[in-house]
Amino acid sequence: QQQVKQSPQSLIVQKGGISIINCAYENTAFDYFPWYQQFPGKGPALLIAIRPDVSEKKEGRFTISFNKSAKQFSLHIMDSQPGDSATYFCAASKNYGGATNKLIFGTGTLLAVQP
Amino acid sequence: DAGITQSPRHKVTETGTPVTLRCHQTENHRYMYWYRQDPGHGLRLIHYSYGVKDTDKGEVSDGYSVSRSKTEDFLLTLESATSSQTSVYFCAISSAGGGSHNEQFFGPGTRLTVL
Repeated sequence: QQQVKQSPQSLIVQKGGISIINCAYENTAFDYFPWYQQFPGKGPALLIAIRPDVSEKKEGRFTISFNKSAKQFSLHIMDSQPGDSATYFCAASKNYGGATNKLIFGTGTLLAVQP
Repeated sequence: DAGITQSPRHKVTETGTPVTLRCHQTENHRYMYWYRQDPGHGLRLIHYSYGVKDTDKGEVSDGYSVSRSKTEDFLLTLESATSSQTSVYFCAISSAGGGSHNEQFFGPGTRLTVL
């Protein structure tokens, strides 16, 4: 019940296309859903995050869509660019009421945007 | 990398030897985390700290111990390294815990190989 399942494992998109990565979770207590971006040889960096009280959040070309009833959320990258080529991780955590924010990560998606 | 350094960046060791990885932060953040990253598993939490001398286990803590004697330093020790502990280890920090879901900032990682 603690798992976050992520798909696809890898994705190839043409420049200018839309990249879509999906995640699903079981634990209905999760209340914070971030996406992290990781370039080779670097640590992950927060890209965008959403809470379950909204169905969509957009920041520039990046959008999170959230479906609470289906327990699914997805990352959409519009107008994908070669510079977006990276590994993307979804994650989830639940509010422990002041305790540590422990993130549960998906297994990652390797995105390659071809020029 | 948000004022986080990890040392060493690369290490090769032999089975059965003790290994200590260091995470140092200059942000004065209260919370610190150790993760391991393996293909097909994403990032998994090993141990975390919510203050000086306050630590707790994550989901994959067996074979690892941690210590935090100063706000800025969080040490991860493999008491007797095994080949299954070959991985990339990431330290992360955040200024707050579950109550506010503050962003976790990741360090550059340490690649550990156990022969």
